[in-house]
Amino acid sequence: KQEVTQIPAALSVPEGENLVLNCSFTDSAIYNLQWFRQDPGKGLTSLLLIQSSQREQTSGRLNASLDKSSGRSTLYIAASQPGDSATYLCAPNRDDKIIFGKGTRLHILP
Amino acid sequence: NAGVTQTPKFRVLKTGQSMTLLCAQDMNHEYMYWYRQDPGMGLRLIHYSVGEGTTAKGEVPDGYNVSRLKKQNFLLGLESAAPSQTSVYFCASSLTGGRDTEAFFGQGTRLTVV
Repeated sequence: KQEVTQIPAALSVPEGENLVLNCSFTDSAIYNLQWFRQDPGKGLTSLLLIQSSQREQTSGRLNASLDKSSGRSTLYIAASQPGDSATYLCAPNRDDKIIFGKGTRLHILP
Repeated sequence: NAGVTQTPKFRVLKTGQSMTLLCAQDMNHEYMYWYRQDPGMGLRLIHYSVGEGTTAKGEVPDGYNVSRLKKQNFLLGLESAAPSQTSVYFCASSLTGGRDTEAFFGQGTRLTVV
């Protein structure tokens, strides 16, 4: 059974800092891994998709890496802004099931 | 392009009542999913479907039933609602389950069972 852990559970940093969110998963035989953002009371917005054969994926100030063999992914956010405040979720996809971690609640201080 | 639409957005049920949540997608996706989200528990997979006419159990299927009679719709049913089913329910869809397909989510249904 796939288990997904995200560390830290919550993070508060001043605006402008670079930060790293961590995700680990127990079953490395995944098809891909997605990072999502969720604002309070809202649905999930897809940020990045990394295929199992890829090492990293970039979108603007976001960079996600994947080390499938060790069951780890990281989301790097450069030059953080107050608008980045949200919960970030990682979700590996294996055997047609997309399983989520509990997320990291990020608060960027102006 | 509406994407993934969930109906209703809010609902209050009494214990023992039944209801059906509708998820509709207009992207011709094969795969559809139902999740529930609870504080401190994250999103948990209830049921999913890999194509029209198919359904499969996820992590927490008990107390729920699903149907996928049409490719674009995935229904989640509660036959006899319990307070433990108070939650926010999310539907998602993806083109396939393959390596290069991403999942898209609806805006959620907030269900309260009293």
